[in-house]
Amino acid sequence: AQSVTQLDSQVPVFEEAPVELRCNYSSSVSVYLFWYVQYPNQGLQLLLKYLSGSTLVKGINGFEAEFNKSQTSFHLRKPSVHISDTAEYFCAVSDFPHGGFKTIFGAGTRLFVKA
Amino acid sequence: GAVVSQHPSRVICKSGTSVKIECRSLDFQATTMFWYRQFPKQSLMLMATSNEGSKATYEQGVEKDKFLINHASLTLSTLTVTSAHPEDSSFYICSARVGLAATYEQYFGPGTRLTVT
Repeated sequence: AQSVTQLDSQVPVFEEAPVELRCNYSSSVSVYLFWYVQYPNQGLQLLLKYLSGSTLVKGINGFEAEFNKSQTSFHLRKPSVHISDTAEYFCAVSDFPHGGFKTIFGAGTRLFVKA
Repeated sequence: GAVVSQHPSRVICKSGTSVKIECRSLDFQATTMFWYRQFPKQSLMLMATSNEGSKATYEQGVEKDKFLINHASLTLSTLTVTSAHPEDSSFYICSARVGLAATYEQYFGPGTRLTVT
């Protein structure tokens, strides 16, 4: 079965600084990888996803992530954060096809952008 | 993009009563819907996978008799929390899947905050 580990529960960072949110996964088969953002009391919004192809994936709001199969990682990065990026970020994996498209989420990383 | 709605957004019920949460895909047909539960400051835990016209598949540890899931059409799935207790208070999020393989997409509803008093 697949699992997802988000290595940092909280990441404080100053506005306009770069940020990296780390994510590692484990799976015995090919996976789909996702990053979602959740604002307080709201559902999830997809930032980006890796299904196949280029290992560098660009998403919305200036975020990007790189799939590293050898390190089983899918870290999320942004070169310059804004106050509005303060939110909870979830890394997720879907173990296709054996997982039946079930998406398993990491514990989440709270990004806190300070002025 | 595709939109998934949930109703109600918030519900307060008394212990021992049942409450139904609706999940609708507004502009697409979803053959598969998922129900998640999220405790404060925690991640989403998958409760069950629901396919239209068939019984839901529950994750280990989820009581199927307590959390009744019905997926009556390609645009509607419902979660009924039966005989609710305070420990059932949580944020419930549904999700709808479209496509396969390279076109795979999963869309999330805004969530329903359930408080059992």
